[in-house]
Amino acid sequence: GAVVSQHPSRVICKSGTSVKIECRSLDFQATTMFWYRQFPKQSLMLMATSNEGSKATYEQGVEKDKFLINHASLTLSTLTVTSAHPEDSSFYICSAGDRREQYFGPGTRLTVT
Amino acid sequence: AQTVTQSQPEMSVQEAETVTLSCTYDTSESDYYLFWYKQPPSRQMILVIRQEAYKQQNATENRFSVNFQKAAKSFSLKISDSQLGDAAMYFCVFTGNQFYFGTGTSLTVIP
Repeated sequence: GAVVSQHPSRVICKSGTSVKIECRSLDFQATTMFWYRQFPKQSLMLMATSNEGSKATYEQGVEKDKFLINHASLTLSTLTVTSAHPEDSSFYICSAGDRREQYFGPGTRLTVT
Repeated sequence: AQTVTQSQPEMSVQEAETVTLSCTYDTSESDYYLFWYKQPPSRQMILVIRQEAYKQQNATENRFSVNFQKAAKSFSLKISDSQLGDAAMYFCVFTGNQFYFGTGTSLTVIP
């Protein structure tokens, strides 16, 4: 099956700094990628949908300026958490595909100290 | 509003027995997909089974099967011959024009 990777798997950063998370489709081209956030013992919350070569579509309540998404190629989407704060600490998951089939990355655990 | 409801936060099953996880959803769309995903402690989302709304036949994947009742907007997952490796969080997911995840059911398998 199709494989989606995320890098890094875990990251610790200081409050006020920015951190970038990469999501790559390893063996297929992904026109659309999705970014989710998951709090402990909770479900996944869709943050945004990124389409290659165009601006991301953010879900209601997600700050566009804090969570910058770039989908510059058919195999790479990045999520940059800008000016991170402790409340941004979470598990971030990306996926690639469409409504019929999504391939999920292994997730990135972000801790902001 | 479209929602996905999993009314069982936790379930347990004896190894080798059968368990059914419940899911109901609300939508005005006619063309959509429903999924059950498994999330083990590693937190990697794993597809268990997919159901296309236009198909009347219930999907099956080895020990996993669904009972899809479109009119009732119900989509339950049956796990037969439960194994220790089935222990995980299970999410019911709706994908139409939007994606909606249920709140999850934590399944424990008792040896």
